[in-house]
Amino acid sequence: SAVISQKPSRDICQRGTSLTIQCQVDSQVTMMFWYRQQPGQSLTLIATANQGSEATYESGFVIDKFPISRPNLTFSTLTVSNMSPEDSSIYLCSVGVGLGRTDTQYFGPGTRLTVL
Amino acid sequence: GDSVTQMEGPVTLSEEAFLTINCTYTATGYPSLFWYVQYPGEGLQLLLKATKADDKGSNKGFEATYRKETTSFHLEKGSVQVSDSAVYFCALSGASYDKVIFGPGTSLSVIP
Repeated sequence: SAVISQKPSRDICQRGTSLTIQCQVDSQVTMMFWYRQQPGQSLTLIATANQGSEATYESGFVIDKFPISRPNLTFSTLTVSNMSPEDSSIYLCSVGVGLGRTDTQYFGPGTRLTVL
Repeated sequence: GDSVTQMEGPVTLSEEAFLTINCTYTATGYPSLFWYVQYPGEGLQLLLKATKADDKGSNKGFEATYRKETTSFHLEKGSVQVSDSAVYFCALSGASYDKVIFGPGTSLSVIP
């Protein structure tokens, strides 16, 4: 298993500003994922972040809006840039643990973002 | 593409009632299947999983069996408690890529 922490746990931000969310894992993992959960909705994958390579973004998400860093095997950041009220969501970091492919994903507690 | 479908919620049950939440999937190959639970105000927790056909995942009284012939992974519990009130997500991890696809979630409320 893996224990994941995120900072901040919640924030209220003004339109047009940016917020960087940090994700820390208690063990080294190859694959880290960032999800968005809009109010009352399911989870949508934003991007996959592997250490040492550029993040891979899902359809509808772009690097300019959601830049990701992955400096080592236990840490990643997601920045939500030039925010609008539509970005109000819970942002979740997760890691894949398994043999060769993501057999199980473990999730952080999430960052609840409100954009005014 | 791969996808997961769940029964519509919200579901409201009385304590000690039998629970079934239906889940069906579409995927190429042989995915792993999961149920995740999200309690109010908390993050997602893995509830149970199954990695091949006919496997049964179980945890905390919940069970689900991987049925390849019907592409289903229904969640069941014989006697629900108030503390089971949460949102339940069915999910799959495909054989050809390393990411998880989630269903829309089913909200469960258990009343005393």
